Amino acid sequence: AQTVTQSQPEMSVQEAETVTLSCTYDTSESDYYLFWYKQPPSRQMILVIRQEAYKQQNATENRFSVNFQKAAKSFSLKISDSQLGDAAMYFCAHNAGNMLTFGGGTRLMVKP
Amino acid sequence: GAVVSQHPSWVICKSGTSVKIECRSLDFQATTMFWYRQFPKQSLMLMATSNEGSKATYEQGVEKDKFLINHASLTLSTLTVTSAHPEDSSFYICSARGGPNYGYTFGSGTRLTVV
Repeated sequence: AQTVTQSQPEMSVQEAETVTLSCTYDTSESDYYLFWYKQPPSRQMILVIRQEAYKQQNATENRFSVNFQKAAKSFSLKISDSQLGDAAMYFCAHNAGNMLTFGGGTRLMVKP
Repeated sequence: GAVVSQHPSWVICKSGTSVKIECRSLDFQATTMFWYRQFPKQSLMLMATSNEGSKATYEQGVEKDKFLINHASLTLSTLTVTSAHPEDSSFYICSARGGPNYGYTFGSGTRLTVV
């Protein structure tokens, strides 16, 4: 069974600064995907970034990038130049086959 | 991009009645749809997985007779909460797989309150 762990229930960052959210996972699969989702107060789940496990290159989407360490089963999210609109719950997720397994989430607060 | 429409966004119902929630993929055919439940300040808990034309697969602990799932077409799945009770009050989210990026697209969720 897949498990996803987010060890930081809450994080805080100053506007314009950089913050890193941690995620570790456990899987027996060799081919899988990893995701970071953002859930703002509206509760709409928004895909932030996706990483294919077979790709060694870390995914990047504008201010969002990941540090994917396959051997360590680690998948952290770095948010650069944090903005007030980045404040939300962030969920790390693992997909193998059809199933998507979520971590417990990290609440990110952005201080002006 | 892939869009999933979920309705209603919120519903209040009386205890003992049934409520139906719809999840539609608007611009792609969803081979698989998922239903999640989310309690306040918690993560998404998978309730069931449905494939078009076949019976849904329920996660352990989820009552299939209470949470009826129908996936009659490649663009529509419904979740019916039968004989609702106050403890069924929660936020329900659907997700569909099959979009252009072969990713998961989420509906906007339904807040159910049973009084």
